[in-house]
Order: sequence, then structure tokens, then C-alpha cells
Amino acid sequence: GENVEQHPSTLSVQEGDSAVIKCTYSDSASNYFPWYKQELGKRPQLIIDIRSNVGEKKDQRIAVTLNKTAKHFSLHITETQPEDSAVYFCAASEAGNQFYFGTGTSLTVIP
Amino acid sequence: GAGVSQSPSNKVTEKGKDVELRCDPISGHTALYWYRQSLGQGLEFLIYFQGNSAPDKSGLPSDRFSAERTGGSVSTLTIQRTQQEDSAVYLCASSFSSADTQYFGPGTRLTVL
Repeated sequence: GENVEQHPSTLSVQEGDSAVIKCTYSDSASNYFPWYKQELGKRPQLIIDIRSNVGEKKDQRIAVTLNKTAKHFSLHITETQPEDSAVYFCAASEAGNQFYFGTGTSLTVIP
Repeated sequence: GAGVSQSPSNKVTEKGKDVELRCDPISGHTALYWYRQSLGQGLEFLIYFQGNSAPDKSGLPSDRFSAERTGGSVSTLTIQRTQQEDSAVYLCASSFSSADTQYFGPGTRLTVL
């Protein structure tokens, strides 16, 4: 089955700097890669996703890149703000299968 | 429209008792997932329903755990003879189809005394 690894497990950045979280996956059949943000005590919420027919997707300060050959995808947050502080999870899936989640990255943005 | 709802929001039970957790997915969503999240930990996959297909039960940690989905909508997760290590937040999510955006419910916080 699929195996998703996520790094780093914790990340601290100064407000205004960029943050990058990376995930690797093992199953080349995976074709959908979402990123979720989970604030303390809240449910995970989708912030951006990418499908395997696209190499990059941006939404304001957030972007995701996908390298199908190397089987890795990354979340990029620019101009970080204190409200970006949360746990971020990556996941991989293919049609008909469950989602495989990474172990999460705890991001702290220092004001 | 209405999102995914779960009930109860909190459940405190005694060791050895059975509990039922309910999930109401978004109307029209064919895929439904159950996860378990212990404090400060990641999302542990439990079970996945897709339409009328046989569910993927590969994540259920023991035979004390079972789930069903009636009429392709509401799902119930049952934990029999609860143990203290079952204490966690149980999250349900649904999506229009598999490999599509998952929407999570607020979770049920289960505490086994």
C-alpha cells in the first residue's frame, strides 16, 4: 500500500518569512494530493490540493508543487502570519482508495 | 449547505461499556471515512465506505471496532468493551467521490474511564 512521509515534524519561522513542508509518497498510482490545516481543537480543513496532471497550484500566499517522477509534493506558505500557526497534514489518494496521511507538521510563526 | 455532523460531541464512558458514534455526511457524498486522532497525534485511518462497494476495514485496530453505513448515508462506528486506550477524538469525513475533497466533521471526543 501507499506510504506517505512528511518533513519536518516541527517548523518555526519568523513572521513574514516563508515556510516549506515536504511529503513523499510511494505509490505511483496516487493522483490526488490535498493539504489540510488543523488548528488546536478544531477539525482538519482543506487549504489546497493538486492532482497529478498539474505541477503547481497557487492560492494567494499558499502554493503546492508536485514532482511525479520523484514522488514528492511540497506546501509553500509565503509571507507567513501568526494565524498560519497550526498543524499541517499532507495526504495522497487514488480513485477507489482511502487517503494516506502524513504524520503532520507543527508550524509556529513567531511574531 | 450543511456540513458533516457528528454526535455526540463528547462521550464519557466506563471501561468495558459499548459506545456508538454517529456521522451524518454531506448529502450526495458517496465516500465516507472514519479516523481516530489521539492528543497531539496524526490521523489514524479506521474505515472507508465508497458507494455500495464493500468497505475498506483495513484500519480497524481490533475486532471490538465495527462500522456500518445505512442507505449510503449515515454511518455508525461501534466500539465494544471499550478500553482506556480507545480514548481519542473520532473524526468522520465525507467526499463527493473517492480521491476528492474530504470535508471533516467536528469529531467526537471519547473518554474511557
